[in-house]
Order: sequence, then C-alpha cells, then structure tokens
Amino acid sequence: QVHLVQSGADVKKPGASVKVSCKASGYTFTSYVINWVRQAPGQRLEWMGWINAGNDETKYSQKFQGRVTLTRDTSANTVYMELSGLRSEDTTIYYCARGGDFDHWGQGTLVTVSS
Amino acid sequence: QSALTQPPSASGTAGQRVTISCSGTRSNIGSNAVNWYQQLPGTAPKLLIFNNNQRPSGVPGRFSGSKSGTSASLAISGLQSEDEADYHCATWDDSLNGPYVFGTGTQVTVL
Repeated sequence: QVHLVQSGADVKKPGASVKVSCKASGYTFTSYVINWVRQAPGQRLEWMGWINAGNDETKYSQKFQGRVTLTRDTSANTVYMELSGLRSEDTTIYYCARGGDFDHWGQGTLVTVSS
Repeated sequence: QSALTQPPSASGTAGQRVTISCSGTRSNIGSNAVNWYQQLPGTAPKLLIFNNNQRPSGVPGRFSGSKSGTSASLAISGLQSEDEADYHCATWDDSLNGPYVFGTGTQVTVL
C-alpha cells in the first residue's frame, strides 16, 4: 500500500534553513504530485506548494514564494522541502501529501526554530 | 490566501447526526470540488471525502458530503465515539497562484 515516510524532527536557529524529506513507496512515484502542508498548534492547515514528481514542475503558495524550494530524487522516490530564513513562527509540523486530493499523508515532521 | 470558514466546534451524542458547514467564495468552492479530512488527535490528516461527495475505500458510509454554490457540508450519521476528531474542508482556489485552501477546522465532540 501507499506510504509516505518523512524525516525526523529537527531544531534550527533563526535565519537557518531546514530540509525535510518525504520518501514514497507503494505506487509509481512519478505519476503524482507531492504537496507540502504545515500546521501550527491550534491553527488551520496551510498549503505551501507542490512538486510534480514526474516532470519536476513546482508551484508555490505566494506566502512562501522565495523561501521554500521543493526538489525530488526519482532514484530514491523521495521529495524534499527546504525552507530558508527560518523564524520562530516557522516552528510547526510539516506534512507531505500525495496528489491533487491529498489522498495519503506522511506522519509529519516537527521543526523547531529556537536560538 | 483566504481560508474557508467552518464552525469551531460541533457535538452530539452517540447515534446522532452531526453536520459541519464550510463556507467559501466563487473562486474556490464555487469553482472546484471540495475535499474533507479527518484528523484524530496527534495524527496526520486523513482523506475522508473527495470530489464533494465521494468516499475513499475504507471510509464508513455514515460519512457523507455535499456542495451547493459556494458552500459545502459534511454529515456524520450515527455518530460514534471514534469520530471524535478535527474535520477540515479544503479545495483549490482559482485566484492568483491557485493555492489549496483549507477550512478553519471543526472539532467534533461525542457527548
């Protein structure tokens, strides 16, 4: 069955960058986009962008444009989300999710930004 | 990006029917299909309803979705204790950069 497994929790200093991975299995990796979503405590889910794992096309939310970069490695069936210029309000859980309907989700990765 | 509006909470006793509303605009719900996600405490969201009213394999029939104009709703019939969770509506938006917008979330409590 479909699985999306994300990298573990990370702690970064303000101004640094973080790179979170999402390894896919159980389906043809290049047939779907992978989205990234984040959720701060008590807040609504927030879409950050997607990458087409087949042709490397990307689309980003205006809010994160210029700060987020999505890449993929087809040999490893893995998508990466890199967020730069970290600030305290980026402390939250980051999820990857498959396809236009977000039909399968990773387990989430907690990123903490603290000096 | 604008959010879709949901009531912050809803509740019912076991066996009751609970309905959650989701209000949007012409550029999001008015133009695109709505999905619903269930998020149990401490876990990732799970797709519950897609394309307004379709259930993925494995989702119980007591969950149903509908859409009319710029609003959508999720109904849970025969409420069960395991349905206690947060529920989020979502859809694509046709505005600049076409974001995927989520609702503000509704916490369902089984009394």
